[in-house]
Amino acid sequence: EAQVTQNPRYLITVTGKKLTVTCSQNMNHEYMSWYRQDPGLGLRQIYYSMNVEVTDKGDVPEGYKVSRKEKRNFPLILESPSPNQTSLYFCASSLSLTGDQPQHFGDGTRLSIL
Amino acid sequence: AQSVSQHNHHVILSEAASLELGCNYSYGGTVNLFWYVQYPGQHLQLLLKYFSGDPLVKGIKGFEAEFIKSKFSFNLRKPSVQWSDTAEYFCAVKGAGSYQLTFGKGTKLSVIP
Repeated sequence: EAQVTQNPRYLITVTGKKLTVTCSQNMNHEYMSWYRQDPGLGLRQIYYSMNVEVTDKGDVPEGYKVSRKEKRNFPLILESPSPNQTSLYFCASSLSLTGDQPQHFGDGTRLSIL
Repeated sequence: AQSVSQHNHHVILSEAASLELGCNYSYGGTVNLFWYVQYPGQHLQLLLKYFSGDPLVKGIKGFEAEFIKSKFSFNLRKPSVQWSDTAEYFCAVKGAGSYQLTFGKGTKLSVIP
């Protein structure tokens, strides 16, 4: 079954403790992306990746890092999480480099930073 | 920079009423446009998309949207809503050939049985 898998689904942690949210897709998609969703703000893009070892900043990259060492995986790293990063995070992937194909979304990861 | 504006924050309708959700975008070139739906507790799903050609696009679950280039709009419509359409709806825009997708802030739709 084609899917985008995020882990963990829920995480409560404390300020400053490094964390990684994993994202994996089994559709051989080249394009992957991370979004955060906050009430009243919709989805905002954090980082995206056009292919292995190729990443770029979205609208709200501060405080986040990503890597794309393999095509299927696109982890989101919070080196020193802060409470303003408490949010619902979605990973997405898409077949086409130009993004003409729609994105497939994961089920989301709810992060609470205390 | 591209941007998307969704006019309504929360829309409440009775079942069988007609629906129109507004979406306006700002971008100085050719665009790809999308509507996504998020049911409570779920991830986003694509309702419909516009890349080129016929500006009236039909999607899943009886939804359609019309691209009006002169108005920079891509409004979502459904002739008769059902209780199961209760969800949050997001309009999104991407410059053709671009890698960055920008979402609107979303419109919550509540359908009363």
